[in-house]
This record gives sequence, structure tokens and C-alpha cells, in this order.
Amino acid sequence: GAVVSQHPSWVICKSGTSVKIECRSLDFQATTMFWYRQFPKQSLMLMATSNEGSKATYEQGVEKDKFLINHASLTLSTLTVTSAHPEDSSFYICSVVGYNEQFFGPGTRLTVL
Amino acid sequence: KQEVTQIPAALSVPEGENLVLNCSFTDSAIYNLQWFRQDPGKGLTSLLLIQSSQREQTSGRLNASLDKSSGRSTLYIAASQPGDSATYLCAVNQGAQKLVFGQGTRLTINP
Repeated sequence: GAVVSQHPSWVICKSGTSVKIECRSLDFQATTMFWYRQFPKQSLMLMATSNEGSKATYEQGVEKDKFLINHASLTLSTLTVTSAHPEDSSFYICSVVGYNEQFFGPGTRLTVL
Repeated sequence: KQEVTQIPAALSVPEGENLVLNCSFTDSAIYNLQWFRQDPGKGLTSLLLIQSSQREQTSGRLNASLDKSSGRSTLYIAASQPGDSATYLCAVNQGAQKLVFGQGTRLTINP
């Protein structure tokens, strides 16, 4: 399967700052990546679909101006949490679509103080 | 709207036992169903993927079944080991690779 990395693995920031999370497909060219969010003891919720070379598609209830997604190449998608607040603290996981299934990154733990 | 439910939410069994995890979904129009394992603070590891036309898939001590018409899937783990302790998630693919996840079953295998 595809190998997916995320950077950073964890980040702590102050309220009001912006944080960028990278998702890389290391051995597979991915035209589609997904971004999920997972709150403690809850399941994964799809936030948006990242499409290489075009705008991301956001799920209902996800603010596109707050969660900026850029999929500039076939191996890299970035999620920027703008003006982060404590309620944005969560575990963010990306996935890559390949071989008709999804392969997930190791996740990024975001803590907003 | 698709809803995925996993029962039980948590399960603790002694090492060596065989066990079954359950997953149910409300909309049978799915492309496939996938079982994942998630260790604390980590990402997801895919265990088994069952296409909608298949009834079951096996990998080592794991066997997953799918009854699409009744909206159910089970994950059978044989001869459980402490290393199997993790949260197990099932997810259904409704098309365009959009996955809907269950809440997970937190499994603890006691030595």
C-alpha cells in the first residue's frame, strides 16, 4: 500500500495563531487526499476532500475559510488552521487514495492554548 | 444519511480467546467496507477491505464478513494476543472513496 507521512506529529500553539499541517504521499502519486478530524474518544470525521490542482471540497459544517487546504502537487497536501482556538484542538489525520482504498497518515495532534 | 454503529464500545478478554466485533450500517448502498486498527495517539492501519460483492476476507488470525443486505459486518479475531489491544474501527465507502466511520471498539487483551 501507499506510505503516508504527516508533519508535524504534534504542535502546540497560542490562540489566534495559524498552524500548517503537511501530508505527504511518499511512494504514490495521489490526485485525491482526504483530511479527517478526530476528537478524544470519538471517531474520525471527514473534513474535506483535497484534489490536486483544484479547490478542495468541504463537508457540511466545516468552515473553508478557517481550514485552508492546498494540494499543489501529487505528493503533498497541506491543511492550515487559521486563527486557531482551543476548540480546534484535535487529532488531524490525512489519507491518500490508492489501489481503490485509503491509506492513512500517522496523524497530527494540535493543541491550542 | 449513513450511520455506522459498532458494538460493543469496549471489550476486555483474556489472552487466547476468540472474539467478534460487530459493525452495522443503515444504508446498504456501499462500495466496500474496511476494518482498521488504531493504537493510542496513532493513525489508522488497514486490516481488511471487503468489496460489496464479497462475503468475507481473511488475513492471518482475522476474518471479516459482510452481509450487505442486512447492513452488518463482523470482525473475528482468533486466538487473541496482548498485542491485539487497540481500537478497531469499521468504515463504509459510499462512493468517491468517502468513508463513514463507526465509533470504534476499544479492545483490551489481558495476559
